[in-house]
Amino acid sequence: AQSVTQLDSQVPVFEEAPVELRCNYSSSVSVYLFWYVQYPNQGLQLLLKYLSGSTLVKGINGFEAEFNKSQTSFHLRKPSVHISDTAEYFCAVSERDGQNFVFGPGTRLSVLP
Amino acid sequence: DAGVIQSPRHEVTEMGQEVTLRCKPISGHNSLFWYRQTMMRGLELLIYFNNNVPIDDSGMPEDRFSAKMPNASFSTLKIQPSEPRDSAVYFCASTQGGSGGYNEQFFGPGTRLTVL
Repeated sequence: AQSVTQLDSQVPVFEEAPVELRCNYSSSVSVYLFWYVQYPNQGLQLLLKYLSGSTLVKGINGFEAEFNKSQTSFHLRKPSVHISDTAEYFCAVSERDGQNFVFGPGTRLSVLP
Repeated sequence: DAGVIQSPRHEVTEMGQEVTLRCKPISGHNSLFWYRQTMMRGLELLIYFNNNVPIDDSGMPEDRFSAKMPNASFSTLKIQPSEPRDSAVYFCASTQGGSGGYNEQFFGPGTRLTVL
């Protein structure tokens, strides 16, 4: 079975600064990778996903993530954050041929003015 | 498309009462998930249905919790009797295909349950 680790439970950052949210996974099979965002008092919504091809994936709101197979990582980045990016971010992994979809524990991003 | 619909959005009840949460998945989606989110435990998968059949209910906390999916457009999560520790936000999500694979899950807005 696969698992997802998000090492940082909370990340405070000033507005217009860059940010990286870390995600590492473990799996014995090939996987697909996802980042979801949850704004306050809302459900989760997809930010981006890696299926195949280029390891750099671009998502909504200026976010991007890079898949690194050797390090089993899928870190999320944004070069300049806005107050409106304040939210909780969840990394998730799905087995390509399986029946498991696992979410990480989440990272709470707080953008400070 | 209206997205995943959940009702009620908020529920306040007293300990010992029965609570029923409802979910309408996106039309055409054949997999449905119930999650619970708390500050202490984060996001937990409670149960997963595929083609209206429960596939994995290992996350259901105890016998007080039950879930049904009588047809492709409706599911319920019932707690009887409710306890204060059941207070949480309950999310329903749906997707095409199974639990794995490349299809994203679409989440509803959640039901915030408070048990006094």
